[in-house]
Amino acid sequence: QKEVEQNSGPLSVPEGAIASLNCTYSDRGSQSFFWYRQYSGKSPELIMSIYSNGDKEDGRFTAQLNKASQYVSLLIRDSQPSDSATYLCAVDTGRRALTFGSGTRLQVQP
Amino acid sequence: NAGVTQTPKFQVLKTGQSMTLQCAQDMNHNSMYWYRQDPGMGLRLIYYSASEGTTDKGEVPNGYNVSRLNKREFSLRLESAAPSQTSVYFCASSRGQGPATNEKLFFGSGTQLSVL
Repeated sequence: QKEVEQNSGPLSVPEGAIASLNCTYSDRGSQSFFWYRQYSGKSPELIMSIYSNGDKEDGRFTAQLNKASQYVSLLIRDSQPSDSATYLCAVDTGRRALTFGSGTRLQVQP
Repeated sequence: NAGVTQTPKFQVLKTGQSMTLQCAQDMNHNSMYWYRQDPGMGLRLIYYSASEGTTDKGEVPNGYNVSRLNKREFSLRLESAAPSQTSVYFCASSRGQGPATNEKLFFGSGTQLSVL
């Protein structure tokens, strides 16, 4: 079992819809969780971080964390074609640095 | 403000050749990292440096060496390149002193390396 798992996608949603991206992790002691966005051929950039159970909202983005079930999700409301990218989940597994999932590719159809 | 600068952007090597990937940051960050990204594998940590003068192995260090030349610069060296090292390499930095398990990583633009 991978330490951080994501569905590779592609996840295809129509413009204006809600995109829901999910991530599960294996280390119950993990404390910090991040979502990075990576456009094709570009470097990852941080869009959300979450440390406590519940929801955290930032503009059109909402991160949700459930430590008991060991999952973290990212909701993108009013999805735009410019949101089309790969979304990487990163988790503090207590090792030397963050552990990244392999990413979910999101396609927003105009 | 350039952030994290990596050179070169592209490189093709023959098996057995050596090369050094350069990375510099101008944000006065303490920690620096080298990751590789392969299809379906996500980002995997090769080496990191928690502060000037220190380096530590990450998840996939075999075949690589690093040097933290000063606070700004962190280089990655392939002594004898192998086809398995074909990948996209990212340098990253973070503000704190120590592994960035709870803070933002700033990434360079990446180096696409092909080993034939």
